Amino acid sequence: QKEVEQDPGPLSVPEGAIVSLNCTYSNSAFQYFMWYRQYSRKGPELLMYTYSSGNKEDGRFTAQVDKSSKYISLFIRDSQPSDSATYLCAMSQGGKLIFGQGTELSVKP
Amino acid sequence: SQTIHQWPATLVQPVGSPLSLECTVEGTSNPNLYWYRQAAGRGLQLLFYSVGIGQISSEVPQNLSASRPQDRQFILSSKKLLLSDSGFYLCAWRPGRQQETQYFGPGTRLLVL
Repeated sequence: QKEVEQDPGPLSVPEGAIVSLNCTYSNSAFQYFMWYRQYSRKGPELLMYTYSSGNKEDGRFTAQVDKSSKYISLFIRDSQPSDSATYLCAMSQGGKLIFGQGTELSVKP
Repeated sequence: SQTIHQWPATLVQPVGSPLSLECTVEGTSNPNLYWYRQAAGRGLQLLFYSVGIGQISSEVPQNLSASRPQDRQFILSSKKLLLSDSGFYLCAWRPGRQQETQYFGPGTRLLVL
């Protein structure tokens, strides 16, 4: 079993839809959770960063962490074509990041 | 503000040739530095990380090596490339022990033929 599991998609939604991206993990020691966005042929850019359980909101993006279920989510409201990218979840342990496989999202105008 | 550079952006090399990829960070000191490889359709695999000059930790046995000759410079090398070394190589930096987030460079796309 991988330490971090993420549905690779691809996920296709119409513009304006609410998008839900998810990751599950097996290591209960993870404390820091991140979401990165990666456009085609570019380096990943940090979107959201949360510590422990709870919610964090930044504009149209909301990150949720449920440590009891070992489950994290990223919600995108009012999705735009510019949100089309691969979204990677990552979890930190001892200064190293463990990444999910990434979910490819396509938002159609 | 901090910036991270990688070069070259794209590289096509024959099997058996040497490799040198460079990563530099500006606007910070004593960062933790990381090399990742991303195969097509896959997540990121950590190859090496460094907490200081001359200090390199290897995550997976492979045909590659890393060096950190200066505080903000991280180099990925190979003496003889294999076909399986093809991929997207990403350098990342982390501000320090107080933060867990990492920030990525633009990447180098390597194709070994």
